[in-house]
Amino acid sequence: KQEVTQIPAALSVPEGENLVLNCSFTDSAIYNLQWFRQDPGKGLTSLLLIQSSQREQTSGRLNASLDKSSGRSTLYIAASQPGDSATYLCAGFTGNQFYFGTGTSLTVIP
Amino acid sequence: DGGITQSPKYLFRKEGQNVTLSCEQNLNHDAMYWYRQDPGQGLRLIYYSQIVNDFQKGDIAEGYSVSREKKESFPLTVTSAQKNPTAFYLCASSIRGPKPLHFGNGTRLTVT
Repeated sequence: KQEVTQIPAALSVPEGENLVLNCSFTDSAIYNLQWFRQDPGKGLTSLLLIQSSQREQTSGRLNASLDKSSGRSTLYIAASQPGDSATYLCAGFTGNQFYFGTGTSLTVIP
Repeated sequence: DGGITQSPKYLFRKEGQNVTLSCEQNLNHDAMYWYRQDPGQGLRLIYYSQIVNDFQKGDIAEGYSVSREKKESFPLTVTSAQKNPTAFYLCASSIRGPKPLHFGNGTRLTVT
């Protein structure tokens, strides 16, 4: 069974700092890796999807990379803003279902 | 706008009662999923359906039931057999296969 781990569980940074969130998975046979953002009491909003044949995806200040051989994905956030404060989750698709990490709670301090 | 609608947003029930959570999507997605989210834990899969009139148990299906009579609807019933039903429930959908997953805004169920 796929196990997905996210480190750190919580992160607090000053506004403007660049930061990296980590996601590791145990089964390299994933078809894609998706990063989500979750605001308190809300559903998950998709940020980036990386197919297994890709190594990275970019959207604005966000860049996500995928290294299947090492079982790792990273989400890079450039020039962080207070509005980036949320919980970030990664999920890998294996077979018929997605497996989720427990998330990283990010606080960006103005 | 296309999306996934979960209702109600908040639901309160007495212990021993069954309760049904609604999930409707107008994205024309074949696959639909129900997840449970508890504080400090990742999302756990309850049930999923890849096609109408077919569904599969996820990791924590005990005490839950679903139906998939229409492509756009995937209601979840939390039965009295579920030992700890208070949680945040999320419905999601996708095109079949390794495609992006889309979520509704969730239903917070409190059972007392």
